[in-house]
Amino acid sequence: AQSVAQPEDQVNVAEGNPLTVKCTYSVSGNPYLFWYVQYPNRGLQFLLKYITGDNLVKGSYGFEAEFNKSQTSFHLKKPSALVSDSALYFCAVRDQAGTALIFGKGTTLSVSS
Amino acid sequence: ETGVTQTPRHLVMGMTNKKSLKCEQHLGHNAMYWYKQSAKKPLELMFVYNFKEQTENNSVPSRFSPECPNSSHLFLHLHTLQPEDSALYLCASSQATSGSETQYFGPGTRLLVL
Repeated sequence: AQSVAQPEDQVNVAEGNPLTVKCTYSVSGNPYLFWYVQYPNRGLQFLLKYITGDNLVKGSYGFEAEFNKSQTSFHLKKPSALVSDSALYFCAVRDQAGTALIFGKGTTLSVSS
Repeated sequence: ETGVTQTPRHLVMGMTNKKSLKCEQHLGHNAMYWYKQSAKKPLELMFVYNFKEQTENNSVPSRFSPECPNSSHLFLHLHTLQPEDSALYLCASSQATSGSETQYFGPGTRLLVL
C-alpha cells in the first residue's frame, strides 16, 4: 500500500534562512511525487513534482525538492524563506499503476520576520 | 486561482436539508475528483470521474451523491448530512487519472452541518 509521512506538524524558520519540509514515502515500484501548498481558506496549489530523471526538481516560488530513492524521501527546500511562504504544505505520492494521489497530513510552515 | 472554480465557497446546512456543491474546470481536463479535508486529517479522496464515468468511490456514505454531466462540470449532492460531515470539500481536475498527471484544485467549499 502507498503511504506518505510528513514527520513534522510544524516547521519554524526565520526570514532569510533556508527551510526544509520533510517527506518520506512508501510505494511499490517507482513513485511519482508531488508537493502542494495551501494558504488559509484556499485550495491546494501545485508547487512541483518528480517523475523521473534529475533528482533535484525545481518548482514555483523558488522551491525545490530532492528525490532520494535510497532514503525514500522527497524533502522540500528553499534557500531563503519569506514571510509569505507561511502556509500548509502537503506531500503526495502515486505509484505508476495507481489512480489515487495519497497525501501526507501536512506540515505548517511558519516564517518569522 | 488555477482554473478550477467551486461554488458556493461557504455553506451552512441543517441535517435535513438538501444542497449541492458545484465544480467547474476551465483547463480542458478529462478527469475530476472530490476530496474531503477535515482538520488534523489527511485529504480523503471521495470520488473520481474520468470522461464523465465514475471510476472510484472510496466507500463514501450514500448521503453524498456525485454527478458529472460532462468533463467540465462536477456536482456533489448532499442530503441528510451529519455534523461530522462538516469539512472543506475540494474539487480537482487533471488531464488523466494516472501516471504523472498533476491534479489542480479549486478553492473549496467550507461546509458546516448543524
